[in-house]
Amino acid sequence: DTAVSQTPKYLVTQMGNDKSIKCEQNLGHDTMYWYKQDSKKFLKIMFSYNNKELIINETVPNRFSPKSPDKAHLNLHINSLELGDSAVYFCASSQELGDQPQHFGDGTRLSIL
Amino acid sequence: GDSVTQMEGPVTLSEEAFLTINCTYTATGYPSLFWYVQYPGEGLQLLLKATKADDKGSNKGFEATYRKETTSFHLEKGSVQVSDSAVYFCGLDTGRRALTFGSGTRLQVQP
Repeated sequence: DTAVSQTPKYLVTQMGNDKSIKCEQNLGHDTMYWYKQDSKKFLKIMFSYNNKELIINETVPNRFSPKSPDKAHLNLHINSLELGDSAVYFCASSQELGDQPQHFGDGTRLSIL
Repeated sequence: GDSVTQMEGPVTLSEEAFLTINCTYTATGYPSLFWYVQYPGEGLQLLLKATKADDKGSNKGFEATYRKETTSFHLEKGSVQVSDSAVYFCGLDTGRRALTFGSGTRLQVQP
């Protein structure tokens, strides 16, 4: 049973397109996160949601819009994709806000042509 | 702001060698410190943690001690195995409710 699952695993698309990445956790956790890992392996928090409420919104372009239909899902929609958006995006969850460990998905590798 | 600095990799060792991966941090307050490991094609997994000064976290033969005086949390293992090959991330949590990670250090262990 996969605890935190992301789809798709790979996403190759052209500049200017709009795409979504989905994330689901079956751990019953209240909090979910999106992280971005760039080509140099730096891993940075983008968003966190607690019980469907946005808690953390780092300095991320407003082309990125997270959506949490329920506390088991946190999807990431990206408008007007740019070359600099190429990265691996990780979803994670934790029991409550600030709890450790965070459980990570396997990542979605986004490549912009 | 909060930041974590890790030694650059890759670190290449022979099996049974001693491992040290350096990690230093800058943070306000008293953060909790973590090491996460990322095996190829997988997400990050918590390896060990320490929540206050002088605490030692340990797991799977890995250890790290929270050193407030040197703001460090170096990862060590006495005898590495090929299966330890992965990317290791040092991280901290100052209570902002999200982790700040270092850039990761790739470890390659050769048989």
